[in-house]
Amino acid sequence: EAGVVQSPRYKIIEKKQPVAFWCNPISGHNTLYWYRQNLGQGPELLIRYENEEAVDDSQLPKDRFSAERLKGVDSTLKIQPAELGDSAVYLCASSPGAHSGNTIYFGEGSWLTVV
Amino acid sequence: AQTVTQSQPEMSVQEAETVTLSCTYDTSESNYYLFWYKQPPSRQMILVIRQEAYKQQNATENRFSVNFQKAAKSFSLKISDSQLGDTAMYFCAFGTQGGSEKLVFGKGTKLTVNP
Repeated sequence: EAGVVQSPRYKIIEKKQPVAFWCNPISGHNTLYWYRQNLGQGPELLIRYENEEAVDDSQLPKDRFSAERLKGVDSTLKIQPAELGDSAVYLCASSPGAHSGNTIYFGEGSWLTVV
Repeated sequence: AQTVTQSQPEMSVQEAETVTLSCTYDTSESNYYLFWYKQPPSRQMILVIRQEAYKQQNATENRFSVNFQKAAKSFSLKISDSQLGDTAMYFCAFGTQGGSEKLVFGKGTKLTVNP
């Protein structure tokens, strides 16, 4: 069974440019997450989807970040315009559903460098 | 809000030896889940072991086991017979029960297994 797939794996952009990351969760997983991991830190949740509904986006910087999950499957995370402080690894993850204790499965992440 | 603290930024162990990674957490909830994730240089978060707070028995997965002390809010990971492939960042994570699958991560411990 395929795991969580993310693309691109690596991206280098100049500040003020836009960037988008794509995620395909594990088949059948209703819950999808976007985490951001800064260097030397643990991941921090940006947004969580239950199917196509964003149920927790309190940590998403809405002035420049946006996300969507059309049809409740794939998801896209966009940053526009990017700032130097956005350099991080963006991790997508999924789990079977909003049931307590379901294990969360992570993708390999998208490394963003803003120069 | 829940917090997770990993007090050991870096640790090293000789191959075939045993090492213990520490984790403490703070929460007012009585039912929750605890996880240890491994993150190799590829950056993919891989679940090592999980523990349900309502279970008194410590979880074990082959060479990996935990020492869960609920009253002390402590959740340490013991790796027996360490292997070179165990070299990675290890993150302790806390998950609430009750519909939210949000994980709160510690800052991680960098483990190096030496030949």
